[in-house]
Amino acid sequence: DTEVTQTPKHLVMGMTNKKSLKCEQHMGHRAMYWYKQKAKKPPELMFVYSYEKLSINESVPSRFSPECPNSSLLNLHLHALQPEDSALYLCASSQDLFGLAGGFQYFGPGTRLTVT
Amino acid sequence: AQTVTQSQPEMSVQEAETVTLSCTYDTSESDYYLFWYKQPPSRQMILVIRQEAYKQQNATENRFSVNFQKAAKSFSLKISDSQLGDAAMYFCAYRRARGGSNYKLTFGKGTLLTVNP
Repeated sequence: DTEVTQTPKHLVMGMTNKKSLKCEQHMGHRAMYWYKQKAKKPPELMFVYSYEKLSINESVPSRFSPECPNSSLLNLHLHALQPEDSALYLCASSQDLFGLAGGFQYFGPGTRLTVT
Repeated sequence: AQTVTQSQPEMSVQEAETVTLSCTYDTSESDYYLFWYKQPPSRQMILVIRQEAYKQQNATENRFSVNFQKAAKSFSLKISDSQLGDAAMYFCAYRRARGGSNYKLTFGKGTLLTVNP
């Protein structure tokens, strides 16, 4: 199973709402990532988890809150978002952070988020 | 800082023909990894091919092959016998092999490939 799944596929939320994005992988990978992607742009790294601990936060605003409940699951909690946060949110996983395996990232299909 | 440049924002190819997508990068490192990712309209990023910088042999995956020129810092992707399903945005990506920030993929801006029937 070389699949990363993400739910929901689409999400529309108001600026006062609280919502969560979910990502799951069952490949035994120990590194998981959140990316934000605007239309026709490359993905931008947001967070990196390694062995269920937050390793990297790329100066992301606190209205985005990641969580890694276990080695297979990664959540992104959203609160008080702005319209400019509307984007495709991609989750990825890799065997670990290091070596070639760290760059060999499997991506999920993404969640298309619209903030109204 | 490492940078990745894809100089062709858009390319088109006839079905069954061959197309080459360009990628150049800038780094002071000697050991690193290079990747080509494909993102079709379905949005999922799919790894097409990868290359370790210490390997001189060019990577090949079925109809996809690369021309890796380390001295020139060039990493082009050749797609042979193009198929309609190859239509997608293609991203070239770089990653350091070791040292700080080696977790990070640096992406180019992408090349949008259209395949004409």
